[in-house]
Amino acid sequence: EAGVAQSPRYKIIEKRQSVAFWCNPISGHATLYWYQQILGQGPKLLIQFQNNGVVDDSQLPKDRFSAERLKGVDSTLKIQPAKLEDSAVYLCASSLDNRGSYEQYFGPGTRLTVT
Amino acid sequence: GNSVTQMEGPVTLSEEAFLTINCTYTATGYPSLFWYVQYPGEGLQLLLKATKADDKGSNKGFEATYRKETTSFHLEKGSVQVSDSAVYFCARAPNTNAGKSTFGDGTTLTVKP
Repeated sequence: EAGVAQSPRYKIIEKRQSVAFWCNPISGHATLYWYQQILGQGPKLLIQFQNNGVVDDSQLPKDRFSAERLKGVDSTLKIQPAKLEDSAVYLCASSLDNRGSYEQYFGPGTRLTVT
Repeated sequence: GNSVTQMEGPVTLSEEAFLTINCTYTATGYPSLFWYVQYPGEGLQLLLKATKADDKGSNKGFEATYRKETTSFHLEKGSVQVSDSAVYFCARAPNTNAGKSTFGDGTTLTVKP
């Protein structure tokens, strides 16, 4: 079974530029998550999709971050414009559905450096 | 809100030593609890989980018991190996399907030969 795919793996941009990350979840997984992981901290949920609907985006900085999950499969996360404090690893995860007992499967992450 | 507090690291042990990494969670409801592990250069992966009180999750020699009375889910291993060197994250599921999971800040374990 193929895992969660993410691209790119690394990205370096200057502040005020824009960037986009892509995620392809495990086939058949209804729930998709985007997390931000700052060095030395645990993952913080940015947005959670159930199929192509948003379940939770309470911690997404909506003035600069946006995400979509077209057709309930792939997803993209965009930052525009980026700030220095956005430097982090962005993790995508998926699970069979949004029941709490289901484990999440994580992709390798995208390491973003904003200079 | 829901939170998870994890033992601060880093933790350095010699091979075959006993490992405990403490984890406590806020006691709203009875969430499923997880330990995830991140090996160097890899993504997070599930190590073990427990879905109700008194359940014991186990995998690869690691164990954790869901303790409702102390709101804890401590990770233990009787004899660690160099290959166990990784970052370990405790996590709790949301109470409802509309909630979000919460992760601890991770504990870095280094096992020396």
